[in-house]
Amino acid sequence: AQSVTQLDSQVPVFEEAPVELRCNYSSSVSVYLFWYVQYPNQGLQLLLKYLSGSTLVKGINGFEAEFNKSQTSFHLRKPSVHISDTAEYFCAVMTPNAGGTSYGKLTFGQGTILTVHP
Amino acid sequence: GAVVSQHPSWVICKSGTSVKIECRSLDFQATTMFWYRQFPKQSLMLMATSNEGSKATYEQGVEKDKFLINHASLTLSTLTVTSAHPEDSSFYICSARVPREVNQPQHFGDGTRLSIL
Repeated sequence: AQSVTQLDSQVPVFEEAPVELRCNYSSSVSVYLFWYVQYPNQGLQLLLKYLSGSTLVKGINGFEAEFNKSQTSFHLRKPSVHISDTAEYFCAVMTPNAGGTSYGKLTFGQGTILTVHP
Repeated sequence: GAVVSQHPSWVICKSGTSVKIECRSLDFQATTMFWYRQFPKQSLMLMATSNEGSKATYEQGVEKDKFLINHASLTLSTLTVTSAHPEDSSFYICSARVPREVNQPQHFGDGTRLSIL
């Protein structure tokens, strides 16, 4: 079984400040890791993903995340946020080798609401 | 590419009525679609996995007779909330898998806000 923990339910920051949204996961097997963003009354949009290779991955809108296997973490960062980054962010994991009806299933964290203040 | 369309985006109806939500993959064929429910300020809860041409696989605790899922074609899955009551009010989101696409397991629709009066 897998689980995902987002350590902060809400993160308020000022515009142009750096931000880090924390994500830890638990899994007995290798996983793929994802960050999604959700704007109000919308579905989820993929920000970035880690499948293999370089542990630092870059995504859209200036976000990046670093996979740390020893700490089982996948924290999301942005060096300078904008008002438009205000949204809810979800960390998710997927077991790439899961078969049958489990293939492609995502396990989500609880979400972190990022609020950027002027 | 890989666009998922969900309809309607917002629905308000009286208690006791049934509501159907459609999820369409517009530019690809989706053998598997997922249905989620999201309560305010909470994460997405997977309700069921919808497989084309077969019965849906429901997660533990989800009432099959309450939430009817039909995946009759490779581009359409529907969720029907039967005899809806105020406690069924929620945000419902569907997603679809692109076959053999391993690096983005699901593409999401924009969700349906369901309000039962």
